[in-house]
Amino acid sequence: DAGVIQSPRHEVTEMGQEVTLRCKPISGHDYLFWYRQTMMRGLELLIYFNNNVPIDDSGMPEDRFSAKMPNASFSTLKIQPSEPRDSAVYFCASSRLAGPYEQYFGPGTRLTVT
Amino acid sequence: GENVEQHPSTLSVQEGDSAVIKCTYSDSASNYFPWYKQELGKRPQLIIDIRSNVGEKKDQRIAVTLNKTAKHFSLHITETQPEDSAVYFCAATTSGTYKYIFGTGTRLKVLA
Repeated sequence: DAGVIQSPRHEVTEMGQEVTLRCKPISGHDYLFWYRQTMMRGLELLIYFNNNVPIDDSGMPEDRFSAKMPNASFSTLKIQPSEPRDSAVYFCASSRLAGPYEQYFGPGTRLTVT
Repeated sequence: GENVEQHPSTLSVQEGDSAVIKCTYSDSASNYFPWYKQELGKRPQLIIDIRSNVGEKKDQRIAVTLNKTAKHFSLHITETQPEDSAVYFCAATTSGTYKYIFGTGTRLKVLA
């Protein structure tokens, strides 16, 4: 298995632009999680899905952030419009309903908003 | 709400010494406690985990202990090596939610 795949690995954009981050979970995994990591705030859970349905989006910082999971093998996290404070590493992770509970992380997308 | 506190934030040890990282959780319903290691520029990776029906678990030089009454759990690394240098995160979750609450991380430096 290729593991969790994220793209792009690096993204540099200007303030006000739309940014779309992509994730492909491990095949057969039921849960998908989006995290944001910064030095100041650590690892924050933004949103997670179960069988493509959003379960908890309480971590989404504001309306500029949105996430979708149109099918079991693809999810997107969109920021529109982007701001410099959105600069962070964004991780996607997946896990199985049947257990174990381990979450497998993707390599992350390093986002820089100038 | 749910919270996981982790200490210390940084830890330096001499190669060969032991390292201990401690976490405290707030939700008494938490029943799964993973530890992740994150090397610089890399993704977090699971190194060991423990469930609430177990008090201790070992895997070679790494061990985790859980005290449910006090709601705290600890990571123990013995005979530390330079390659153990990384940031370590603890987490807690409750069955049915599958949602991790992460601690703030401990930066471990093993000095050769």
